[in-house]
Amino acid sequence: GENVEQHPSTLSVQEGDSAVIKCTYSDSASNYFPWYKQELGKRPQLIIDIRSNVGEKKDQRIAVTLNKTAKHFSLHITETQPEDSAVYFCAAFNFGNEKLTFGTGTRLTIIP
Amino acid sequence: GAGVSQSPSNKVTEKGKDVELRCDPISGHTALYWYRQSLGQGLEFLIYFQGNSAPDKSGLPSDRFSAERTGGSVSTLTIQRTQQEDSAVYLCASSLVGTSGGSTDTQYFGPGTRLTVL
Repeated sequence: GENVEQHPSTLSVQEGDSAVIKCTYSDSASNYFPWYKQELGKRPQLIIDIRSNVGEKKDQRIAVTLNKTAKHFSLHITETQPEDSAVYFCAAFNFGNEKLTFGTGTRLTIIP
Repeated sequence: GAGVSQSPSNKVTEKGKDVELRCDPISGHTALYWYRQSLGQGLEFLIYFQGNSAPDKSGLPSDRFSAERTGGSVSTLTIQRTQQEDSAVYLCASSLVGTSGGSTDTQYFGPGTRLTVL
């Protein structure tokens, strides 16, 4: 089955700097890659997603890049703010087994 | 409109008891998913419903776990003879279409049920 690895597990960034979280997936049959943000004690919320027919997608301070050849995708947050502090999960949807597999999460802390 | 809701928000039970967790998806969403999130861990897939049928039950950890969905809406996840290792947050998500044509659409999560087995 699909295996999604996420790095780093924890990340501390000075406010205003950029944060990058990376994920790799194992099965080339995966074609949809969402990113979720989960604040402490709250539900995961979708912040951005990308499908395999594009290489990059941006939404204000958030961007995601996808390299299908290398089977990795990354989340980029620019001009970080304290409210960006949360756990971020990447995921990969595999159309072979029709399952969304999540990474283990990155705890991002923005230092004021 | 209303998002995904789950009840109860918290459940404390004794080892060996049965528990039922409920999920109300977003109105009109045909697909419903259950996940389990242990403390500090990622989301572990349990089961997926397309309408009332569950094409994929492969994530259920043991035969003590079962789930059903009726009327294409509400779903219940039942854990029989609970064990301490069942303690986790159980998250439900729904999506409008689910899997179609080899792809999937956005899943929206509920707030979860925190289950503690003593």
